[in-house]
Amino acid sequence: SQTIHQWPATLVQPVGSPLSLECTVEGTSNPNLYWYRQAAGRGLQLLFYSVGIGQISSEVPQNLSASRPQDRQFILSSKKLLLSDSGFYLCAWRGESYTFGSGTRLTVV
Amino acid sequence: QKEVEQDPGPLSVPEGAIVSLNCTYSNSAFQYFMWYRQYSRKGPELLMYTYSSGNKEDGRFTAQVDKSSKYISLFIRDSQPSDSATYLCAMSSTSGTYKYIFGTGTRLKVLA
Repeated sequence: SQTIHQWPATLVQPVGSPLSLECTVEGTSNPNLYWYRQAAGRGLQLLFYSVGIGQISSEVPQNLSASRPQDRQFILSSKKLLLSDSGFYLCAWRGESYTFGSGTRLTVV
Repeated sequence: QKEVEQDPGPLSVPEGAIVSLNCTYSNSAFQYFMWYRQYSRKGPELLMYTYSSGNKEDGRFTAQVDKSSKYISLFIRDSQPSDSATYLCAMSSTSGTYKYIFGTGTRLKVLA
C-alpha cells in the first residue's frame, strides 16, 4: 500500500532563515505530488504540484519554491522566511483522490 | 463569492445525534465531490468520494449531492466523541485534474 511521509512535524524558525520541508512517498512510482498550505479560516491553498522529476508548477507567486530531485521525493524550500509563511504545510499525492501526509506546523518568529 | 462555501462552526452535538454538514458551490462544472476528516494537527483523510448527483453510504456516513441546488451534505449517524474533528469538503470538475477546490472546513464537537 502507498504511504506518504512528511517531516518535521513542528518547526519554529526565525524571520529571514531558510526552510526545507521534505516529503517522500512509498509504494507507488511516478506519483503526482502536491504541496498545500492550510491557514485558519482559509482552507487548503495549493502551492505547488509536480507530475515528475524536475517538473514543478507553481500555483501562487510567493516566497517559497519546490523541487523534485527524485521520483518519490518532493521538497518545499525558502531562502528567507517571512512571518506570513507561518502555517500548516501538507504534502499530498494523488491516486483516485488525494492522500495527505501528517503535515508540518511552521511558526516563523 | 468563493467557489466553495462551508460554515466553519464549531458545531456541538450530543453523542448519538445525527450530524449534518454542508457545502455550497458556484461552479456547475464540478462533478467529483469528496469529504475529508481532519483531526487536530493531522493531515486530512478521505472519508467519502462521490461522482455526480445522488447518495453514497459507508457505515455511519452518508454523502449526498444535489447538483441542481449546488449543494452537498455529509450525514453522520449515531455520532461518537471520536467523530470530533474538522470536516472539509472538496470538489473538482474532472477526475484527472490536479486541482481540487476545498471548503474551509467545519469543526465538529461530539459531546459525551
